[in-house]
Amino acid sequence: AQSVAQPEDQVNVAEGNPLTVKCTYSVSGNPYLFWYVQYPNRGLQFLLKYITGDNLVKGSYGFEAEFNKSQTSFHLKKPSALVSDSALYFCAVRDRDGGSQGNLIFGKGTKLSVKP
Amino acid sequence: KAGVTQTPRYLIKTRGQQVTLSCSPISGHRSVSWYQQTPGQGLQFLFEYFSETQRNKGNFPGRFSGRQFSNSRSEMNVSTLELGDSALYLCASSLAAGSRSDIQYFGAGTRLSVL
Repeated sequence: AQSVAQPEDQVNVAEGNPLTVKCTYSVSGNPYLFWYVQYPNRGLQFLLKYITGDNLVKGSYGFEAEFNKSQTSFHLKKPSALVSDSALYFCAVRDRDGGSQGNLIFGKGTKLSVKP
Repeated sequence: KAGVTQTPRYLIKTRGQQVTLSCSPISGHRSVSWYQQTPGQGLQFLFEYFSETQRNKGNFPGRFSGRQFSNSRSEMNVSTLELGDSALYLCASSLAAGSRSDIQYFGAGTRLSVL
């Protein structure tokens, strides 16, 4: 069965410092991986996705994520955090191969808090 | 281009009632998926529609149903509401159901409160 784990419920970072939000996944085949962000009372906004190729994926608002197949991880990173980055972040996986239903499976979410 | 539109934004219902939520996808998108978001369970997949056909269904009771119209707009219905149905219901659209690499674009959601 597919699953996504975001081991940290909350990440606290000082503005200007680098941030990392962790994600590990489990799929039977090869994964498509996504990061979304949710601001209060809003839907999810797409940040970036990994399909194939370069393990380092660059996305919106200066975010990037590194795909590591051996560790089955897809951690979200940003070199310099902004207070406006404070939000709820979701990692999601989709099985690339046809053996499963194919819907997106989301992690529980990680609340990022960036302090001035 | 307009984003995914969900109506209404907020709903208050009582136990036993039924409710219908509406979703208008991004123009040109033919696939619509629905998710339930709660603090305890997180984001859970309800169902996916493409070309008026349900292509995929999550693990929810039969009280949860949906449909898609020829213009790709979708509705979901919950009958015999229970307190545990209180949640944020999110709709997402994508170009086609067949491509698993497609990005899903989400609406702002409908906040359902069951009293």
